[in-house]
Amino acid sequence: NAGVTQTPKFQVLKTGQSMTLQCAQDMNHEYMSWYRQDPGMGLRLIHYSVGAGITDQGEVPNGYNVSRSTTEDFPLRLLSAAPSQTSVYFCASSRQGSPTNTGELFFGEGSRLTVL
Amino acid sequence: KNQVEQSPQSLIILEGKNCTLQCNYTVSPFSNLRWYKQDTGRGPVSLTIMTFSENTKSNGRYTATLDADTKQSSLHITASQLSDSASYICVVSSRRGDYKLSFGAGTTVTVRA
Repeated sequence: NAGVTQTPKFQVLKTGQSMTLQCAQDMNHEYMSWYRQDPGMGLRLIHYSVGAGITDQGEVPNGYNVSRSTTEDFPLRLLSAAPSQTSVYFCASSRQGSPTNTGELFFGEGSRLTVL
Repeated sequence: KNQVEQSPQSLIILEGKNCTLQCNYTVSPFSNLRWYKQDTGRGPVSLTIMTFSENTKSNGRYTATLDADTKQSSLHITASQLSDSASYICVVSSRRGDYKLSFGAGTTVTVRA
């Protein structure tokens, strides 16, 4: 089982460039989300979706866009990359509509982004 | 202010020894608490999840405890193995229904032969 698949695993950008981090899950999960992980800090929620066509902002949404046209895919777009967006990004999904229920949250392997 | 605090930040133990990690939280109203294991360069993987009514749960050599009154949880690793070297993350959710989880910064465990 593939689970949650993220691409690319590594990416280097220059300030001002745009790019898209891809996330796909094959578990037919309703809930999908993007987090960033920075040293010494807990994971922080960027955007999330509770189903196709529905997205909402998390704690740190500025500089990022998302869309959810299908159940399987939830891409994260960086509009104009900044050095502050250097981080490791994780996509996660959950079968239930909300991960605050007892449904398990499944994470991808992460995408390490460096912005110069 | 982070609503989930973990201690210690890191620890080193010898293979075969036990260790206990701590998690204190202020998230309210409480729904559930999870422990995740994150190997270096990988995504977090769930170890346990506990609701308000549960005060202990085991997953192999991992045992989590929860005291909802004092808002504390611990993760005990028994007879540590080299493969236990990882970061352990405490995650707490509330019953606000706002789809947001509160993550601790993690405890990095290094097991030495």
